[in-house]
Amino acid sequence: DARVTQTPRHKVTEMGQEVTMRCQPILGHNTVFWYRQTMMQGLELLAYFRNRAPLDDSGMPKDRFSAEMPDATLATLKIQPSEPRDSAVYFCASGDRQTNTEAFFGQGTRLTVV
Amino acid sequence: AQSVTQPDIHITVSEGASLELRCNYSYGATPYLFWYVQSPGQGLQLLLKYFSGDTLVQGIKGFEAEFKRSQSSFNLRKPSVHWSDAAEYFCAVGALRKLSFGAGTTVTVRA
Repeated sequence: DARVTQTPRHKVTEMGQEVTMRCQPILGHNTVFWYRQTMMQGLELLAYFRNRAPLDDSGMPKDRFSAEMPDATLATLKIQPSEPRDSAVYFCASGDRQTNTEAFFGQGTRLTVV
Repeated sequence: AQSVTQPDIHITVSEGASLELRCNYSYGATPYLFWYVQSPGQGLQLLLKYFSGDTLVQGIKGFEAEFKRSQSSFNLRKPSVHWSDAAEYFCAVGALRKLSFGAGTTVTVRA
């Protein structure tokens, strides 16, 4: 059963600490997204990658957020330093542009910055 | 620019009753449209999608949606709601390149 895997599922950290969220896309998918979900803003696209290259990260605060794909099986989203306003659920999604146009979502990482 | 509006923030429906969730979109070309469902603490699951062809689309869990180009709408329907349908529903427009989501509609099912 192919699925997008995100770790950790929950993270509580103190303000100022570095946070790294990881995502394993579905094997063979060449497009990866990072979304952030909050009550106030809903689902926001932070960044997306195709074939490991960042195509759009305009939704991401550049001063503290960074997203990378070290290899085809791992995407990371890092926040340094974290702030309480970063508290949200972060979703990773993957898709295959060649066969379909839908995105498959992971279960999310719930981040709480205190 | 692409955008999605879900006019209803919250809908309460009785079990066994019909359900319709509204979605209006703005998109510069032929839209790719999706409905996702999110159960508490879970990720988003695709219910159905429309790319082209028949404007009435069947999805999983007994859901269907109808694309109406003249109204820029893609409303989701289910003839008879089950308690397990209580969740948040998101309409989205775009393609794999970039999806825009609506704010979501929370569905409560009462016994």
